[in-house]
Order: sequence, then C-alpha cells, then structure tokens
Amino acid sequence: EAGVVQSPRYKIIEKKQPVAFWCNPISGHNTLYWYLQNLGQGPELLIRYENEEAVDDSQLPKDRFSAERLKGVDSTLKIQPAELGDSAVYLCASSLGADSPLHFGNGTRLTVT
Amino acid sequence: TQLLEQSPQFLSIQEGENLTVYCNSSSVFSSLQWYRQEPGEGPVLLVTVVTGGEVKKLKRLTFQFGDARKDSSLHITAAQPGDTGLYLCAGRTGTASKLTFGTGTRLQVTL
Repeated sequence: EAGVVQSPRYKIIEKKQPVAFWCNPISGHNTLYWYLQNLGQGPELLIRYENEEAVDDSQLPKDRFSAERLKGVDSTLKIQPAELGDSAVYLCASSLGADSPLHFGNGTRLTVT
Repeated sequence: TQLLEQSPQFLSIQEGENLTVYCNSSSVFSSLQWYRQEPGEGPVLLVTVVTGGEVKKLKRLTFQFGDARKDSSLHITAAQPGDTGLYLCAGRTGTASKLTFGTGTRLQVTL
C-alpha cells in the first residue's frame, strides 16, 4: 500500500511569510494527525482529525496556525505569519482509527529565516 | 500534561555491545508503543505493549512494559550499525486516544 505522502519535503521562507503543508494519508485511514518535531526530540501533537472533524486541536497555536481536512481525506496545515521559532519538521500521520497504530509520512522540514 | 522521559538522551556504542533504553512516566498508560526514526524519515512503529509486565521480542530487540504500566524499556542485544536512529516511546491513556511521545533517545552504533 502507498504510505502517507507529504509535500513539500523542504521549505525555506522568511519570517512573517505564510506557508502551507499538504498531507495525503493512507487510503481508508479515518484518523489524521499533524505533529511538530524539533531536532532530536519527540513529536508533539498539533491536531488530530477523525474524518473531517478536528477532535483534538488543544495544542494548535490558533493565532497563526490553521488546518483543514475537507472531505475527510487530504489535509493542509498553514502558518501565517511564520516566526523564527516555527522552524521544525512537520509530520503527518494517519491510522485506521483513533487507537490503531500510526503511519507517518517523511515530514516537511521548515526553515524560517 | 503527561510527560514521558527517556534515558539516556544520547548513546554511542560499538557494534556488538548491548544497550537498554528507558521510558518513564508518572502516568498510567493503557498501551505503550516504541518507534524508530531514521534521519529524513518519519517514525516507524516497532511494537505495542498493552499488559503490565508484558515482554515482547523482535529479533535482537526486547521490549518490556512495567507492572504498573508507567514505564517501559527497550533492550538491544549485539547492536549493529543498522540499529542507529532515534528511538521514541509513546503512551496512550485510557479513552483519550491521544498518543504522547517521549523525549527520544538517539542511538549511534559504530563499527
């Protein structure tokens, strides 16, 4: 089966600019996650979707971050405006259900200059 | 906020040596997972443990879930360069279904 696909792989932007990341989960996976990972550390959950509904967005900085999962399949994560501290790897993962194993994409490495 | 502490943070060993990575928390988990992540890739699930005291083996890797389901360990026997990577534990509590990752252990195995 095809894995979780993320794009772009790398993104370099100047601070205050907007940026968007895209994720295509494994076919049939209802649950989709966006995680942020700083270098050498564990991923931190930003938002979790069950189909098209965001069921846990408590850790999403809503003043600058937004996400959507229209039609319950693909998802986009947006940052506007980006700050220097947003530099990190943004990981998308999907699972069959909320308690099923997670399958991760290879992430988008964001550098804000 | 639950916190999963891993130790050591970084480990550099030679091929053939044994090692143990620890994952500790003050919270009780309904299940605990271990992942390995290689540079430029996402984490890949190695194992899930759900029962207190459970031991699972995956070739040279042995995973143990603490009796109280608050801690876990990963033991690697005769490490190989291919074991190099970032090892992450992740715990899930009750009905929350939220998976919280540990702080990570970076392992480097040299020839």
